[in-house]
Amino acid sequence: AQSVTQPDIHITVSEGASLELRCNYSYGATPYLFWYVQSPGQGLQLLLKYFSGDTLVQGIKGFEAEFKRSQSSFNLRKPSVHWSDAAEYFCAVDGDKIIFGKGTRLHILP
Amino acid sequence: GAVVSQHPSWVICKSGTSVKIECRSLDFQATTMFWYRQFPKQSLMLMATSNEGSKATYEQGVEKDKFLINHASLTLSTLTVTSAHPEDSSFYICSAGGAAGDSYEQYFGPGTRLTVT
Repeated sequence: AQSVTQPDIHITVSEGASLELRCNYSYGATPYLFWYVQSPGQGLQLLLKYFSGDTLVQGIKGFEAEFKRSQSSFNLRKPSVHWSDAAEYFCAVDGDKIIFGKGTRLHILP
Repeated sequence: GAVVSQHPSWVICKSGTSVKIECRSLDFQATTMFWYRQFPKQSLMLMATSNEGSKATYEQGVEKDKFLINHASLTLSTLTVTSAHPEDSSFYICSAGGAAGDSYEQYFGPGTRLTVT
């Protein structure tokens, strides 16, 4: 069965520190993978996506994600977070259908 | 977290007919509802945002006369695809947003697959 897991419900990092948000999936083949960000009261915004090819994907706002087939993971990273990055982040997996993770809320300490 | 349901989960209709999709927030007061569509193997696209009791705000390129959104209560929003055509075939997802304690939460529905023949 297809599934996606974001193991961290909340993450807090200091401004300027590096960030990694985890996403693991379960699917029989390689799915299409997405990361979205949502600020309060706003709709989802696509950060980046992986369909095929280079497993390190660059996105908007300085984010990147790496697809690791052996670990069934698609973790989101940013080398230095800004206060404006505080938001909720959703990983999504599109195999037979699109499924969203439950989200990880990112808090930024000044 | 809250449960958001969509009905129907799957619908086939003939070209020229209208289809209504319901989005219900079962245990959550959704002050804002978002409607998205997704074409196969593409990312989700926000169509419109609606606040309870107000007219929906549509994203650029989305025809508001074709995609009618009603958000009459804190637990129900509907999307009506009027005079559907095959190019409207897509996967439609709603999400319900609102205050939950001191924070703002958003929950996604399971989606509705529309096929127009």
